[in-house]
Amino acid sequence: QKEVEQNSGPLSVPEGAIASLNCTYSDRGSQSFFWYRQYSGKSPELIMFIYSNGDKEDGRFTAQLNKASQYVSLLIRDSQPSDSATYLCAVKPASGSRLTFGEGTQLTVNP
Amino acid sequence: EAEVAQSPRYKITEKSQAVAFWCDPISGHATLYWYRQILGQGPELLVQFQDESVVDDSQLPKDRFSAERLKGVDSTLKIQPAELGDSAMYLCASSLGYRGKTDDGYGYTFGSGTRLTVV
Repeated sequence: QKEVEQNSGPLSVPEGAIASLNCTYSDRGSQSFFWYRQYSGKSPELIMFIYSNGDKEDGRFTAQLNKASQYVSLLIRDSQPSDSATYLCAVKPASGSRLTFGEGTQLTVNP
Repeated sequence: EAEVAQSPRYKITEKSQAVAFWCDPISGHATLYWYRQILGQGPELLVQFQDESVVDDSQLPKDRFSAERLKGVDSTLKIQPAELGDSAMYLCASSLGYRGKTDDGYGYTFGSGTRLTVV
């Protein structure tokens, strides 16, 4: 079992729709969870992080965490073509500071 | 805005040759990471430094890869000899951490990466 798994893509949504990206992790002791956006040929950029169960909102982005289910998600409301990118889920373990990344989900927002 | 500097941006090398990448983290960031990202996959940690010390190099292919951060600031990752399978994006990242302590809680800032092609 992979440490971090993301829903297989690619994911395609129309402009203005809600995009839902999902991630599960295997280490029950994991403490912190991150979402990075990566445009083609570019490096990842941090868009959200969450530590506590529940929802965390930042503009059009909402991160959701359920530690009991070992599940974290990212919702993008009012999706824009500029949101088209690969979204990487990353998990910080209980000990140490290194992040383990999933393989990413490619999102395309169609005008 | 503070950035992680990496060079070169692109590198093409022949297999069996040596290649080196350089990274300068955000000023004051004690923790530095080198990741490798193969096309279509997520980044994979190669080595983590806390100041000048290696914290984790369990995934570093030590027969051909080496990394150093001699003064606890900038870092160099070397591959010798390069193999075709080393073609990937090499990413450097740094995070805020207090000297002598492990960073806790925050995500990292990545540099722009070095795209390596081995031919």
